[in-house]
Amino acid sequence: AQSVAQPEDQVNVAEGNPLTVKCTYSVSGNPYLFWYVQYPNRGLQFLLKYITGDNLVKGSYGFEAEFNKSQTSFHLKKPSALVSDSALYFCAVRDSEGQNFVFGPGTRLSVLP
Amino acid sequence: SAVISQKPSRDICQRGTSLTIQCQVDSQVTMMFWYRQQPGQSLTLIATANQGSEATYESGFVIDKFPISRPNLTFSTLTVSNMSPEDSSIYLCSVVAEPYGYTFGSGTRLTVV
Repeated sequence: AQSVAQPEDQVNVAEGNPLTVKCTYSVSGNPYLFWYVQYPNRGLQFLLKYITGDNLVKGSYGFEAEFNKSQTSFHLKKPSALVSDSALYFCAVRDSEGQNFVFGPGTRLSVLP
Repeated sequence: SAVISQKPSRDICQRGTSLTIQCQVDSQVTMMFWYRQQPGQSLTLIATANQGSEATYESGFVIDKFPISRPNLTFSTLTVSNMSPEDSSIYLCSVVAEPYGYTFGSGTRLTVV
């Protein structure tokens, strides 16, 4: 069965500094990995995904994520954080055989001015 | 990618009543998914709705409490029945937007008083 861990409930970073939101996963087959963002009182918005190919994936709003198969990780990164990046971030995984997503518990990112 | 219109966006309901949430997709999709996000929690899959067959419910969710309709390939409803304060959550529908990704509706924020 698939599982996703986001080891940090909360990440605080100063505006202009780089940010990292961590995600590790477990799947039986090849992983399809996703990051979603949820702003207050809003639905989920797709940020980026890894299916195959280059381990470094670039997505919306300047975010990127690096797939590391040996460490079973898919950490979300951004070189320079903005206050407007403050939101709840979810990592999700789906294996190549199934249809369902499994979501991580979420990490609340606060970017301080 | 697919666009989902979900309504209502929010509602406050009396305990013991029922609320029906609607999702309309701008393209035909085989499967639609219903998720619950309890306060401060991640997303949990309630059920998968296929057109022309009964929905498939995840462990812990039953049809009597969360009846689902899927009358055609662009529309689905989720009803939260006999509500209690514990049902206060955000409810989201989603569809497979491409070979690997998902698109989510904007969510319905339900408060049961």
